[in-house]
Amino acid sequence: RKEVEQDPGPFNVPEGATVAFNCTYSNSASQSFFWYRQDCRKEPKLLMSVYSSGNEDGRFTAQLNRASQYISLLIRDSKLSDSATYLCVGATGGGNKLTFGTGTQLKVEL
Amino acid sequence: DAGITQSPRHKVTETGTPVTLRCHQTENHRYMYWYRQDPGHGLRLIHYSYGVKDTDKGEVSDGYSVSRSKTEDFLLTLESATSSQTSVYFCAISGSGSGYEQYFGPGTRLTVT
Repeated sequence: RKEVEQDPGPFNVPEGATVAFNCTYSNSASQSFFWYRQDCRKEPKLLMSVYSSGNEDGRFTAQLNRASQYISLLIRDSKLSDSATYLCVGATGGGNKLTFGTGTQLKVEL
Repeated sequence: DAGITQSPRHKVTETGTPVTLRCHQTENHRYMYWYRQDPGHGLRLIHYSYGVKDTDKGEVSDGYSVSRSKTEDFLLTLESATSSQTSVYFCAISGSGSGYEQYFGPGTRLTVT
């Protein structure tokens, strides 16, 4: 079993829709989590950090459920520019060891 | 955007040749990392550095070595490139007090023929 697992998608949604991604992790020692966004053939870019139960930034909300060992990312009012791959990441080992999921692909359509 | 550059950005090399990739940062961050990204595997840590001349192995370190002689530079060397090392290589940095967030360079696309 992979340490961080994500549904690869693709999730195809119309512009303006709300979409949610789930990510499960197996290492209960994971201290913090992140969502990164990666555009095709580009580097991952940090979208949100999740240290406690959740975080919200504009249209994006991340929630952490330590009891069930999953993290979610909710995107409201999807834009065409949100089309990308979203990477779920867990941090362990003093925080410098990041474990990446393989990513969930989102396609927002007109 | 974090000040991280990687060179070269693209490279094609032959099996058995040595290859060195360079990561340069202008943020004066303590930690630097090398990852590779392959379809179906996500990003995997190769080596990382926690200071000048201080390095440690990651998940997929076989066939790779690193060096860090200055805070701003972190080199990744493939001593004898193999086709299995064809990949996209990303450098990342993080600071001691950054809460573990890592920031990535633009990547190097390496093809070993």
